[in-house]
Amino acid sequence: SYELTQPLSVSVALGQTAKITCVGNNIGRYNVHWYQQKPGQAPIVVMYRDNNRPSGIPERFSGSNSGNTATLTISRAQAGDEADYYCHLWDSRADVVFGGGTKLTVL
Amino acid sequence: EVQLVESGGGLVQPGGSLRLSCAASGFTFRSDWMHWVRQAPGKGLVWVARINSDGSSISYADSVKGRFTVSRDNAKNTMYLQMNSLRADDTAVYYCARDNYSNDYFDSWGQGTLVAVSS
Repeated sequence: SYELTQPLSVSVALGQTAKITCVGNNIGRYNVHWYQQKPGQAPIVVMYRDNNRPSGIPERFSGSNSGNTATLTISRAQAGDEADYYCHLWDSRADVVFGGGTKLTVL
Repeated sequence: EVQLVESGGGLVQPGGSLRLSCAASGFTFRSDWMHWVRQAPGKGLVWVARINSDGSSISYADSVKGRFTVSRDNAKNTMYLQMNSLRADDTAVYYCARDNYSNDYFDSWGQGTLVAVSS
């Protein structure tokens, strides 16, 4: 199986930069995607294939992926960014894999 | 506009069965791979099953293999999840999601339907 490890929680001060990590064995070899989920809502994709933003997602969101860590970076964090964030990839043996999720709190 | 609408959830006893539906609109359903993803109360996202565009290739998470069956009717723009031998740990909100390509990212999600397994 293939496991993705995310921190349970990340806190960031309003207007500062938040980094949410997703750790997996040689994850840099995979296409990693990120989803945002607010309470009571379905997830939405905020980053796909490492560093591509879907239309409608602010430029404050960026992504990177190298080695054993993929990172979702949220610059100038806003109260509306508070949500759970999940990383996701497809592995030929493990199939679809999600990280455990990270709760982002904006202070 | 892409729309995915799940239905069929509800309360079922352990060992029982339920069939979920995912009605799709706003895109060419027969061309796209589709997935089921579930989320237990207060927990994270867990992939359940995938079906390719014509239903010829299907894959399941180990936790549901042998109990759940995914299918689709492209004429009705609908995907299904037949769930048998349900257990308490199958309790979750079940989402259907569209795969952007094949084993790519999920670009659209439904609002989810709640399945509760309890006596």
